[in-house]
Amino acid sequence: DIQLTQSPSFLSASVGDRVTITCRASQGISSYLAWYQQKPGKAPKLLIYAASTLQSGVPSRFSGSGSGTEFTLTINSLQPEDFATYHCQQLNSYPVTFGGGTKVEIK
Amino acid sequence: QVQLQESGPGLVKPSQTLSLTCTVSGGSISSDGYYWSWIRQPAGKGLEWIGRIYISGSTNYNPSLKSRVTISVDTSKNQFSLKLSSVTAADTAIYYCARFASLLRDGFDYRWFDPWGQGTLVTVSS
Repeated sequence: DIQLTQSPSFLSASVGDRVTITCRASQGISSYLAWYQQKPGKAPKLLIYAASTLQSGVPSRFSGSGSGTEFTLTINSLQPEDFATYHCQQLNSYPVTFGGGTKVEIK
Repeated sequence: QVQLQESGPGLVKPSQTLSLTCTVSGGSISSDGYYWSWIRQPAGKGLEWIGRIYISGSTNYNPSLKSRVTISVDTSKNQFSLKLSSVTAADTAIYYCARFASLLRDGFDYRWFDPWGQGTLVTVSS
């Protein structure tokens, strides 16, 4: 199985901050990486797929980059509604796997 | 727009079989290019993909669960289902159903999970 390591696992930030989350794959996955946002008690919500393609309706302050084994999710100008847990997911090969999650909390 | 809704017992006894159904509304489960998946999440932990099915009945399962999992589809009811046998407390989790999309465009196979159901908590306890 392909392992995904997210860092940090927790971060504290303020409204207006720029936040970067990293996801590293144990082997190359081309651009088959997606990012999801999950709020407490809710299902994950798709933000980005194919490493850098923004899902329709997702604010442009979210962006993704990377290919191969290293990927990043960047949130420019963090908004109050962005405080949540973020998960990366690889869809290059089965089984599909997820990173451990990054919880973004208010400083 | 397509919506998914999980249903089934919230409490299952150890060694028994967990059974859940996902009902698809707002679109056909037979639409081309989509697979139908189950994912679970133990409380406070990460997400684990369980498996997927295509309308043809073709399935893929997570090897870690393969010996205990069966996913089936009922196109007449626009539903797909999960059965997980011989459950233990380690199977206690929120279970989500989701649509997996695979779209070939400009020479790249775009893949993602969207939408997801709201999730249903299944507790394994006597």
